[in-house]
This record gives sequence, C-alpha cells and structure tokens, in this order.
Amino acid sequence: KNEVEQSPQNLTAQEGEFITINCSYSVGISALHWLQQHPGGGIVSLFMLSSGKKKHGRLIATINIQEKHSSLHITASHPRDSAVYICAVWRWGGSQGNLIFGKGTKLSVKP
Amino acid sequence: DTEVTQTPKHLVMGMTNKKSLKCEQHMGHRAMYWYKQKAKKPPELMFVYSYEKLSINESVPSRFSPECPNSSLLNLHLHALQPEDSALYLCASSPKEGDGNTIYFGEGSWLTVV
Repeated sequence: KNEVEQSPQNLTAQEGEFITINCSYSVGISALHWLQQHPGGGIVSLFMLSSGKKKHGRLIATINIQEKHSSLHITASHPRDSAVYICAVWRWGGSQGNLIFGKGTKLSVKP
Repeated sequence: DTEVTQTPKHLVMGMTNKKSLKCEQHMGHRAMYWYKQKAKKPPELMFVYSYEKLSINESVPSRFSPECPNSSLLNLHLHALQPEDSALYLCASSPKEGDGNTIYFGEGSWLTVV
C-alpha cells in the first residue's frame, strides 16, 4: 500500500464545476504539499499545509491531521486548471530531504 | 525571485555522449534536489545537496554525477546513459533540507537518450 494515496486518479469536469481531489496518508508528517504539474513539465507548489485550511483565489486546501487526510478544492473550474495535481508529504523521521509523492490526479476541465 | 531555472529545456544525446543539466536558484536556499520523473509517474528523488554537500544519493547509477559548485548552482553530469534514462529531470530547492519546508521546482529538462 502506498504511503500517500490520492483519489480520483482521473477527473473530467465541465467548466464552472466545483472540484475536489482527496489525499490520504499513512505516515506521520510535518507538512503536506499540493503541487500542480502542467504537460510542459514544471511543478508549482500550490499550498503547504500543516494544519487547518488555506485559500488562494479559487483554490482551497484543507488538512485533518487526526484523520490523516487532505483535500484540494477548485471553485468555478476553468480549462486552464487542467493539469496533474499531486499530493506530497514531508514525513517525520524518514530520510531527510525526501518528499513522499502521491500518484497524482489528472484533471481535465472541458469548456 | 522565487524561481528555479533549469537548462536546457530539451536535450537529445547519444549513449556515448557527455552532457550536463544545470539548475540555478537565487532565493538563498541551502538545499537543492534532483528528481527523475517518468511518464505518468511521480518524481523520484535522485540526490540532495545540503549546504553544498551531498546529503542523499538514492542509489543512483554512477553514470549520473551531481555537482554543487556553489549555493546557487546545481549540475547533473551525464555520461554513457541508456535509453531507459530518458525522462524529465526536475531540480528543486528549499530553504533547508528536510521536512516542513516549502519546496520550489524548476520547469524540468526533458532528456532523450538515443
């Protein structure tokens, strides 16, 4: 079983829809990243969370440390949101400097 | 400046060639990372440099040779690669090595070995 699990693996939405991507992890963590990767390759860190909730524009990320679960929400989705969204955690007590990545969620937003 | 800059963007090399990938950041970060990413897979850690010293080598073959000339630069020297080494190579940096730090990724270098 992977230490970081994401769902769904693939998601297709119509423009304007509210989108939720989920991430569950099985290890103790110090922080969790939500990352965005477009087909061109570069990865952008959208949020780093260690507790609670963060909001940036149409994006909202939440984390529940007790339940070891995080969600990324996109409100009023737009075709430019189409990308792969990756959950990654910094693990307590693991190899220094190593993020543990989920397998990613490929999001396609249709106009 | 919150950028990690990687060059070249694309590289095609033969199995006998020697080439290098370069990475640069000017955020004062003291940890820099090389990741390898194959299609439809998450990135895999290759190397970590902390304060210009190699901190982690994830059992990477010796045909990949990292170098950190100073705190802003990270190179990956490539020699005698195999076609299966074709992948996206991502550089990243964070203020310090380890947990709890925001990490910044570059745009990646697409490597094709022919």
